Amino acid sequence: GAGVSQSPSNKVTEKGKDVELRCDPISGHTALYWYRQSLGQGLEFLIYFQGNSAPDKSGLPSDRFSAERTGGSVSTLTIQRTQQEDSAVYLCASSLEATARRSGYTFGSGTRLTVV
Amino acid sequence: QKEVEQDPGPLSVPEGAIVSLNCTYSNSAFQYFMWYRQYSRKGPELLMYTYSSGNKEDGRFTAQVDKSSKYISLFIRDSQPSDSATYLCAMNTGGTSYGKLTFGQGTILTVHP
Repeated sequence: GAGVSQSPSNKVTEKGKDVELRCDPISGHTALYWYRQSLGQGLEFLIYFQGNSAPDKSGLPSDRFSAERTGGSVSTLTIQRTQQEDSAVYLCASSLEATARRSGYTFGSGTRLTVV
Repeated sequence: QKEVEQDPGPLSVPEGAIVSLNCTYSNSAFQYFMWYRQYSRKGPELLMYTYSSGNKEDGRFTAQVDKSSKYISLFIRDSQPSDSATYLCAMNTGGTSYGKLTFGQGTILTVHP
């Protein structure tokens, strides 16, 4: 597609349920990032994919969070046993080059997760 | 203490004003500095990119980096209502082979007609 697509755009879930967030990056972009944006906070790095592997998953807050990427394309971020503090906007970004410093990332519009 | 500090504002200015947005950082290894603009309910988009110290100009936007003070700025001249958005500074070390960014909290800017 023309941009980074994320689904769903909004998700309301009950505390304790599992959720899956999907990211469809720009075709051909090998690098993919997940960030989390909480109210009043900047973007917090979660995980980086290069192809299907995740060289850096240091930002995942707990073992309830996991992510995978298949076919060098679509990525899924899974949050198990959701807690209210997981409420945030989850943003996915992709870039053609790994460093992304000159071209920057292209971000999706995010998934707004609300845990009630 | 956060690695990158940015005043969240909000900042409200009249149309045509010069806007100054700033970030300070603590990690002297940061070499690449970016400014992103984020409209409501949208993902951030890259506005400006600079490497190391110096100035860079692009139309009404000027980015400045002062590595000795660990201080970066974004200036917007002749501000327009369409500039109303959240502005995020971001940076990375460049020492790794990928583009993990550390962001400031973002400054909410409103330009009123």
